[in-house]
Amino acid sequence: GAVVSQHPSRVICKSGTSVKIECRSLDFQATTMFWYRQFPKQSLMLMATSNEGSKATYEQGVEKDKFLINHASLTLSTLTVTSAHPEDSSFYICSAMNEGAEGYTFGSGTRLTVV
Amino acid sequence: GENVEQHPSTLSVQEGDSAVIKCTYSDSASNYFPWYKQELGKRPQLIIDIRSNVGEKKDQRIAVTLNKTAKHFSLHITETQPEDSAVYFCAASTGGGADGLTFGKGTHLIIQP
Repeated sequence: GAVVSQHPSRVICKSGTSVKIECRSLDFQATTMFWYRQFPKQSLMLMATSNEGSKATYEQGVEKDKFLINHASLTLSTLTVTSAHPEDSSFYICSAMNEGAEGYTFGSGTRLTVV
Repeated sequence: GENVEQHPSTLSVQEGDSAVIKCTYSDSASNYFPWYKQELGKRPQLIIDIRSNVGEKKDQRIAVTLNKTAKHFSLHITETQPEDSAVYFCAASTGGGADGLTFGKGTHLIIQP
């Protein structure tokens, strides 16, 4: 079945540094990938829609200069959290729709802790 | 944009009983309604979904019903088992892969032995 590989699974970084999270579609081409954020005991919130070869579309309230998204190929999308602060600590998860599969395929998520 | 409301936030049922979780949505353009089960620290797992051209779908102990007129959909789990304990999320999307999902706030389902 459709698989989205997400790395790293966990990362701890110092305040002020940047962190890059990668999502790869392993057996299908993902023209569009979605990035979500989930705070503890809360729901998943869509942050942005990543389109291959074009600029990402950000949801209201999400800072595009802080959360840089690159979707340079049909199988890879990256999210870079720039100048991370403790309030950015969260569970970040990507997903993609595979035309051949039913529904959205999710990556395994990245637990980011900023200290 | 889309707004999805989910109730209840916590549901405790006796093992073997049924559980029902309800969601409403606001955008009449939404036509894809999945339900996810999420265990702590893990990715959401699709358990069942329904599209707007269908009113009901069943998969063994799990069923979903959709009322497009009223803009609500529900998850029904029968003969609940301890392994059903988890957080369940409903979601809505316009489908087609171009739009992301709008999630409900989640329901913590507790199965009492």
